[in-house]
Amino acid sequence: GAVVSQHPSRVICKSGTSVKIECRSLDFQATTMFWYRQFPKQSLMLMATSNEGSKATYEQGVEKDKFLINHASLTLSTLTVTSAHPEDSSFYICSARGGGPGSYNEQFFGPGTRLTVL
Amino acid sequence: AQKITQTQPGMFVQEKEAVTLDCTYDTSDPSYGLFWYKQPSSGEMIFLIYQGSYDQQNATEGRYSLNFQKARKSANLVISASQLGDSAMYFCAMREGPSGGYNKLIFGAGTRLAVHP
Repeated sequence: GAVVSQHPSRVICKSGTSVKIECRSLDFQATTMFWYRQFPKQSLMLMATSNEGSKATYEQGVEKDKFLINHASLTLSTLTVTSAHPEDSSFYICSARGGGPGSYNEQFFGPGTRLTVL
Repeated sequence: AQKITQTQPGMFVQEKEAVTLDCTYDTSDPSYGLFWYKQPSSGEMIFLIYQGSYDQQNATEGRYSLNFQKARKSANLVISASQLGDSAMYFCAMREGPSGGYNKLIFGAGTRLAVHP
């Protein structure tokens, strides 16, 4: 299957700082990327969907000014957690989908980024 | 509204035996897709198997098979010949159909499987 990378894999930051997480599709062009958030022992919750070159679509309850998403190219999407607070500590996972006719059935996940805000 | 339900928070199975993880779904879209993912303690999401709503046959991938019962809206995962490495969290997910633009994956709460030697 296709490979999606995330960087960093783990980040610890102080409260009030901003953190940027990168999601890259390494061997395919990702027309759509998704950002999920997972709290300990819970399921994945979709935060937003981003299509290359357009604004991200945020799920209800997700603050778009808090979680800035940029999908500037077909291989890179970034999630920036602005003014992070301890309650933003979570596991953030991205996934990517290509643009072919069968791509709806394929969503490739990155390895995730564990964010800890002190 | 579309919904995925996994009623088993935890399951255990003896090594080499088969185990069934339950998943039921609710959707009004005639076209949808059902997925199973494995999440080990490392956190990565590993794709296991996919079933399309119009697929006539149950999907199989190696030791994984999906027991798709459309009328009952269930998509149970069967793992045969369990191995110790199968111990992980398992998530059932559904891709939205035409009404959702074929975009989102909606996940169930997950089932933690423990394989005992």
